[in-house]
Amino acid sequence: QQQVKQSPQSLIVQKGGISIINCAYENTAFDYFPWYQQFPGKGPALLIAIRPDVSEKKEGRFTISFNKSAKQFSLHIMDSQPGDSATYFCAAFGSSTLTFGKGTMLLVSP
Amino acid sequence: GAVVSQHPSRVICKSGTSVKIECRSLDFQATTMFWYRQFPKQSLMLMATSNEGSKATYEQGVEKDKFLINHASLTLSTLTVTSAHPEDSSFYICSALFGGGTEAFFGQGTRLTVV
Repeated sequence: QQQVKQSPQSLIVQKGGISIINCAYENTAFDYFPWYQQFPGKGPALLIAIRPDVSEKKEGRFTISFNKSAKQFSLHIMDSQPGDSATYFCAAFGSSTLTFGKGTMLLVSP
Repeated sequence: GAVVSQHPSRVICKSGTSVKIECRSLDFQATTMFWYRQFPKQSLMLMATSNEGSKATYEQGVEKDKFLINHASLTLSTLTVTSAHPEDSSFYICSALFGGGTEAFFGQGTRLTVV
């Protein structure tokens, strides 16, 4: 059973555009929602994270929007750059376990 | 952020041999570490949870006798792939819990190729 559903599977955005990746979860016990960025051949790197007591968190060009009642959260990348091209994973943490979405391959075209 | 070092980054071994992968938390103590396997263009698949001083907890379908995990100290966990076969070829990634147990930082991964 997939506890964290992530969409889209892949995304192409023009340079300067906004990249939006969505995730939905089922387990209400999750209490921490990080996003990871992974480049080919590398381990995932923590990008930004949010807890369910806030609805939005912004760090530079990256923003997480969180909707607790809908059990959904999303990552927005403003002014997307070619260097942002990577695979992004949402995750949900609870009961000492981190559950990942299936990932979104983002390609930012020059 | 906290640093997790994984070694080696790449290893090629012959079928039937064993390979050990190390995961170290460099600037913090990690009671809990995780081992993942990742196939090309897919998400991370949790293999096992490693707790310092106790036996690892394996996910369903993961052979504990094949993937030996040892978490002997608060900064080191090892994964040994025993009697490796070509189908064990994959990208293995470790992570360590930090900051009260919610933030997870990842190693750089190990590309294992069994020939």
